[in-house]
Amino acid sequence: EAGVVQSPRYKIIEKKQPVAFWCNPISGHNTLYWYRQNLGQGPELLIRYENEEAVDDSQLPKDRFSAERLKGVDSTLKIQPAELGDSAVYLCASSSRDSSSYNEQFFGPGTRLTVL
Amino acid sequence: QKEVEQNSGPLSVPEGAIASLNCTYSDRGSQSFFWYRQYSGKSPELIMSIYSNGDKEDGRFTAQLNKASQYVSLLIRDSQPSDSATYLCAVNYRDYKLSFGAGTTVTVRA
Repeated sequence: EAGVVQSPRYKIIEKKQPVAFWCNPISGHNTLYWYRQNLGQGPELLIRYENEEAVDDSQLPKDRFSAERLKGVDSTLKIQPAELGDSAVYLCASSSRDSSSYNEQFFGPGTRLTVL
Repeated sequence: QKEVEQNSGPLSVPEGAIASLNCTYSDRGSQSFFWYRQYSGKSPELIMSIYSNGDKEDGRFTAQLNKASQYVSLLIRDSQPSDSATYLCAVNYRDYKLSFGAGTTVTVRA
């Protein structure tokens, strides 16, 4: 079974530039998450999707961040404009709503963003 | 107050010893608990899930859960250099939100 796929793996941009990250979850996983992980910290949830609906975006900085999951499969996270403090690893995860899984989440390889 | 706290580490253990990692959480309503392993420069990898009080063993890993004390631990038996990584404790709060601790870095010395 293929895991969560993310691209790009690395991105270096100058501040005020836009950037986008793409994620393809594990096949059959209805729930998709975007996390941000700063150095030395655990991942922090930005947004959660159930199929194509964003059901928890309370931690997403909506002035500059946006996300979409138009067909309930792939998702894109965008930052515009990027700021120096956005430098971090952006992780995508997915899970199944199978009641036996108790929300086991599986992570993709992440995108390491550096804003100069 | 942080929702999930882990012993800060780093934790250094000799090869073949037991590494013991601890995690406490604040929400008594939490229902599922996870341990992730994260190698340097890599993403978190799920290694253990536990939902009921008691012990759960998987190979050299044992997770222990005590909901009354709001405490979950991970034991790594017969530690190997390949176990050197940061271990993240994650707790499932209401509505599918996972909250992570900051992680404990383990170094297994040969």
